[in-house]
Amino acid sequence: AQSVTQPDIHITVSEGASLELRCNYSYGATPYLFWYVQSPGQGLQLLLKYFSGDTLVQGIKGFEAEFKRSQSSFNLRKPSVHWSDAAEYFCVTGGGNKLTFGTGTQLKVEL
Amino acid sequence: DVKVTQSSRYLVKRTGEKVFLECVQDMDHENMFWYRQDPGLGLRLIYFSYDVKMKEKGDIPEGYSVSREKKERFSLILESASTNQTSMYLCASSLDRDGYTFGSGTRLTVV
Repeated sequence: AQSVTQPDIHITVSEGASLELRCNYSYGATPYLFWYVQSPGQGLQLLLKYFSGDTLVQGIKGFEAEFKRSQSSFNLRKPSVHWSDAAEYFCVTGGGNKLTFGTGTQLKVEL
Repeated sequence: DVKVTQSSRYLVKRTGEKVFLECVQDMDHENMFWYRQDPGLGLRLIYFSYDVKMKEKGDIPEGYSVSREKKERFSLILESASTNQTSMYLCASSLDRDGYTFGSGTRLTVV
């Protein structure tokens, strides 16, 4: 079965600093991969997705992710974090129209 | 925009009660899903449905059932609520894996 692992439960960064959230996937073929964000009191919002093609994917709110088959990774990055980016981030894989979520990384932004 | 509406934002129920969580979507989506979200565990799939009167077990179906009598409505049923079912419940609908829309969630407390 497809799965994703997010090794970091909590991450704290200073506002303006760069961000990288880690995600490793487990799947033999090319997986469908997503990053979702859940802000406090808000619903889940899709940041970006990867199905095939260009391995560097641009998303909303200035986020990007890079698919690396050699490392089985799909890490989320942002060059400069804003205080409003504080939220929980989920790496997600999809198969057969079902989504399987990672356990999430809680991002705290220090001002 | 697709809207997924969950009937209650907060619910408090007693142990042993039968509980209904309702979800309605307004975009004629074939697929509907129920997840529960717990800290440190991410979102876990309870049940899903690809069509009216059709249902499939997800990863954690024990203690739950579902009903889909109409395309737009997908109900989650706790036959006899227990304290370990205290959680945030999220409903989602989609046309395919590319376009999931989540509801705002129902926070259920079983006392």
